[in-house]
Amino acid sequence: QKEVEQDPGPLSVPEGAIVSLNCTYSNSAFQYFMWYRQYSRKGPELLMYTYSSGNKEDGRFTAQVDKSSKYISLFIRDSQPSDSATYLCAPASGGSYIPTFGRGTSLIVHP
Amino acid sequence: EAQVTQNPRYLITVTGKKLTVTCSQNMNHEYMSWYRQDPGLGLRQIYYSMNVEVTDKGDVPEGYKVSRKEKRNFPLILESPSPNQTSLYFCASSSYAGNTEAFFGQGTRLTVV
Repeated sequence: QKEVEQDPGPLSVPEGAIVSLNCTYSNSAFQYFMWYRQYSRKGPELLMYTYSSGNKEDGRFTAQVDKSSKYISLFIRDSQPSDSATYLCAPASGGSYIPTFGRGTSLIVHP
Repeated sequence: EAQVTQNPRYLITVTGKKLTVTCSQNMNHEYMSWYRQDPGLGLRQIYYSMNVEVTDKGDVPEGYKVSRKEKRNFPLILESPSPNQTSLYFCASSSYAGNTEAFFGQGTRLTVV
């Protein structure tokens, strides 16, 4: 089993839809939970960062972490075509802060 | 502007011909790493460096070398490239004073024929 599991998709939704992207992980030492967004032909960029369990909201984006079930989610409200990208979850332990990346989920938002 | 710069962006080479992909960051970050990204496999770490003269293997180090003689530079060396090293390569840097954001370069698309 990989340390971080993520469905590669693609996930195709109409503009305005609520999108739910998910990851599971196996390492109990993970304390920091990041979501990176990667546009085609670009390097990943940090989108959201959460420490431990709970929710964090930033505009149309909400990151949610449930450490008891080792489940990470990213919600996108009112999705836009510009949200079309690959989303990578990347948890890290408190000791090294080195992220372990999931395979990424490809999201397509069509007008 | 804070950035990680990789060169070249695109490279086609032949099997066995040594090559170096350069990576430079201007943020005074201690931590740097190299990843390869392949369809269906995601980002896999090749090597990383915690600081100058300190390097360690990631998940897929075979066939690669790195060096960290200066804080800002972290070149990736392929001594004898093979077709299975055809991939998209990313360099990343971060500071670990509680900062978990990794900054990525634009990527190097390498084709080995």
